[in-house]
Amino acid sequence: SQKIEQNSEALNIQEGKTATLTCNYTNYSPAYLQWYRQDPGRGPVFLLLIRENEKEKRKERLKVTFDTTLKQSLFHITASQPADSATYLCALGQGGKLIFGQGTELSVKP
Amino acid sequence: NAGVTQTPKFQVLKTGQSMTLQCAQDMNHNSMYWYRQDPGMGLRLIYYSASEGTTDKGEVPNGYNVSRLNKREFSLRLESAAPSQTSVYFCASRQDPLKEAFFGQGTRLTVV
Repeated sequence: SQKIEQNSEALNIQEGKTATLTCNYTNYSPAYLQWYRQDPGRGPVFLLLIRENEKEKRKERLKVTFDTTLKQSLFHITASQPADSATYLCALGQGGKLIFGQGTELSVKP
Repeated sequence: NAGVTQTPKFQVLKTGQSMTLQCAQDMNHNSMYWYRQDPGMGLRLIYYSASEGTTDKGEVPNGYNVSRLNKREFSLRLESAAPSQTSVYFCASRQDPLKEAFFGQGTRLTVV
């Protein structure tokens, strides 16, 4: 069956450290993968898109990697801040669909 | 800029009642989506419309119907609400598959 899996347990890190979130998928062949941020009571907000022929994408303190052999994407936040605390969702495209993982909750402590 | 607007924001239904969730976008996007979000389950795709005039099932379509009324509007209908449909519903839109999706603020639906 098709699955998208993210770390189910919340990730707690200290301010200033690098947070690394994982997204694994099974039985999909996505042309791209996206990452979103969701704050409590709000809709998700787009952060980054990486295509299948791209190994790495950066935007300010954010970095995403995409390994189609491992069927995995890693999402990094460097120099993390308490304001980065949120749930982060990965999503992949399958035809016209946009399918999401269950999300990983990140908590950055001062 | 309004973006994606969902109505209502909150709704309580009794089992067996019907209702329609409305979604409108003002960004001239081709594709629109309906998701439900339950604790620990992430966003699950109910239905989507890749372009005006087309609709397709997502991961969890049972118990729902949709209408792409025009390019701007995409509605979700619950014909006979069940407690299992208690959830937060999000509508989203995007211009094409390689573009970001924009989400509405969500509709909190409780079925008692």
